[in-house]
Amino acid sequence: AQKITQTQPGMFVQEKEAVTLDCTYDTSDPSYGLFWYKQPSSGEMIFLIYQGSYDQQNATEGRYSLNFQKARKSANLVISASQLGDSAMYFCAMRASRKIIFGKGTRLHILP
Amino acid sequence: EPEVTQTPSHQVTQMGQEVILRCVPISNHLYFYWYRQILGQKVEFLVSFYNNEISEKSEIFDDQFSVERPDGSNFTLKIRSTKLEDSAMYFCASHRLNYGYTFGSGTRLTVV
Repeated sequence: AQKITQTQPGMFVQEKEAVTLDCTYDTSDPSYGLFWYKQPSSGEMIFLIYQGSYDQQNATEGRYSLNFQKARKSANLVISASQLGDSAMYFCAMRASRKIIFGKGTRLHILP
Repeated sequence: EPEVTQTPSHQVTQMGQEVILRCVPISNHLYFYWYRQILGQKVEFLVSFYNNEISEKSEIFDDQFSVERPDGSNFTLKIRSTKLEDSAMYFCASHRLNYGYTFGSGTRLTVV
């Protein structure tokens, strides 16, 4: 069965610090993709970063990077130099068949 | 940057009424999805659509739900007879193969 687990329901981080949001996954498919989405209080889902299971390098997009450890089945999101605008809900997701499945999310609070 | 557009942003309807939620996916995307998020809960897959037919659907997507792509640009979700528990944020998403899924900004459906 395919599953995404986010064990941190909430996190508080000081502005300008780096933050790591945890995500582990389970799948028996050899080919899969991992995503992170940001959901601010306005409700929309904003795509942040994607990692394919065969990608040799960890994905990076600006201040976002994905720490992909295939053997451990983890795909943690790292946000460098956090900003107040990073306060939001963050969802890890995995492509499974023709859909993506989501974790329960981590609510990130950035403190001034 | 191309967007997935959803209308309306908020819909209030009486229990038992039919609602149609509308989406305009990104024009060169081939795969289309509906997801929903009950307030405070995780994002749940409803249905995927490819090549003018449903490719996968979840247990939530029962006979009360249907999807259409009537004119090659719009992608609609119809709920025939709404229930109180259908109140949620409904997200449309689209993607091309091997690219991140782009979500619309959502339609908040309130059933009263």
